[in-house]
Amino acid sequence: EDKVVQSPLSLVVHEGDTVTLNCSYEVTNFRSLLWYKQEKKAPTFLFMLTSSGIEKKSGRLSSILDKKELFSILNITATQTGDSAIYLCAVDAGGTSYGKLTFGQGTILTVHP
Amino acid sequence: NAGVMQNPRHLVRRRGQEARLRCSPMKGHSHVYWYRQLPEEGLKFMVYLQKENIIDESGMPKERFSAEFPKEGPSILRIQQVVRGDSAAYFCASSPPTATNEKLFFGSGTQLSVL
Repeated sequence: EDKVVQSPLSLVVHEGDTVTLNCSYEVTNFRSLLWYKQEKKAPTFLFMLTSSGIEKKSGRLSSILDKKELFSILNITATQTGDSAIYLCAVDAGGTSYGKLTFGQGTILTVHP
Repeated sequence: NAGVMQNPRHLVRRRGQEARLRCSPMKGHSHVYWYRQLPEEGLKFMVYLQKENIIDESGMPKERFSAEFPKEGPSILRIQQVVRGDSAAYFCASSPPTATNEKLFFGSGTQLSVL
């Protein structure tokens, strides 16, 4: 069975701190890994990673994938209170069903002023 | 361009009643996915539909749950004879017809509470 595990499950930091969120996976036929941010509403897309070692960057957020060790990290630098959310990692394990993602349980990030 | 629209946002049902959740995909999207998020768990895939076709329902419970995406109108997730364990957030996502990537656009979800 395909599995995605995120750590830590929760994290509390102060504004300005840098955080690293982890995602490891075991899937039968890896196609891509995605990161989403979930506040009290729809999960919003952050990154999609398909190739090992290539960092994706968007402002203060960045992510990288290691296909050999089967994990990804999401970094957030200079955190702000608006970064407080649940961060979801998901893997597409291939097959004919694009969009059939296996999600981790999420990391709850709380940023205090 | 409106995003994925789900309604209702909140739905309260008593045990044994039926729940109908609606999802209108983004304009131009013809692929719809339903996911369920139980308390303190990650999102779990339920079903993948294209217009008038169920493509993959491997995540759907075998009984009481059904989904459709008719030629006209929204996709419907129907839960018959609801039980307390059905209480969860149900998310719909969509993608365009030439879906060769997995970047799904999610709706805001329907929170189902079964009393």
